[in-house]
Amino acid sequence: TQLLEQSPQFLSIQEGENLTVYCNSSSVFSSLQWYRQEPGEGPVLLVTVVTGGEVKKLKRLTFQFGDARKDSSLHITAAQPGDTGLYLCAGARSGGFKTIFGAGTRLFVKA
Amino acid sequence: DTGVSQDPRHKITKRGQNVTFRCDPISEHNRLYWYRQTLGQGPEFLTYFQNEAQLEKSRLLSDRFSAERPKGSFSTLEIQRTEQGDSAMYLCASSFTGKAYEQYFGPGTRLTVT
Repeated sequence: TQLLEQSPQFLSIQEGENLTVYCNSSSVFSSLQWYRQEPGEGPVLLVTVVTGGEVKKLKRLTFQFGDARKDSSLHITAAQPGDTGLYLCAGARSGGFKTIFGAGTRLFVKA
Repeated sequence: DTGVSQDPRHKITKRGQNVTFRCDPISEHNRLYWYRQTLGQGPEFLTYFQNEAQLEKSRLLSDRFSAERPKGSFSTLEIQRTEQGDSAMYLCASSFTGKAYEQYFGPGTRLTVT
């Protein structure tokens, strides 16, 4: 059972389009991270959100943590081919050392 | 410091052989993690060290798997009597205690068991 459900699993869009990917759980997380992973490489940390309702922006990427700290979204404005990759959300539960990853959303941006 | 490094990047071995992977974390980080990632999945937690102490192990880590972190610096992950189901990407990550949830990953070791 995946504690963090990511949707969609796969997304193929044209350059310039906007998109949103989701990360949902029935569990509360003390923090949630978003990573991007390219083929044959390790995940690269993009952002951490820790407060319910928090919004963080990283250039064209906007990350939001749900008020109840059970879900998160990543919105990309005007997607570019360089945004292509596997987007992973990961959560740490309060008092635990283990980070749980979702299965990821594979994004392909066509030029 | 150039980040977390892993060696080798790729390993092909025959079923039944033993393999060992090495991870060198970011030097200031005292926490080190091992994950396994298979195609189409996110990384799955295997084990975690704080300094030289192994504090948590996943049920995924069967008795054929052993990890060490002597002197709290680099770490090794050994798989004995490899099976085809062990084929995966093995990822290492490190972090500060104060921001343990922000993990910095190495490039991984891709293991193929034939």
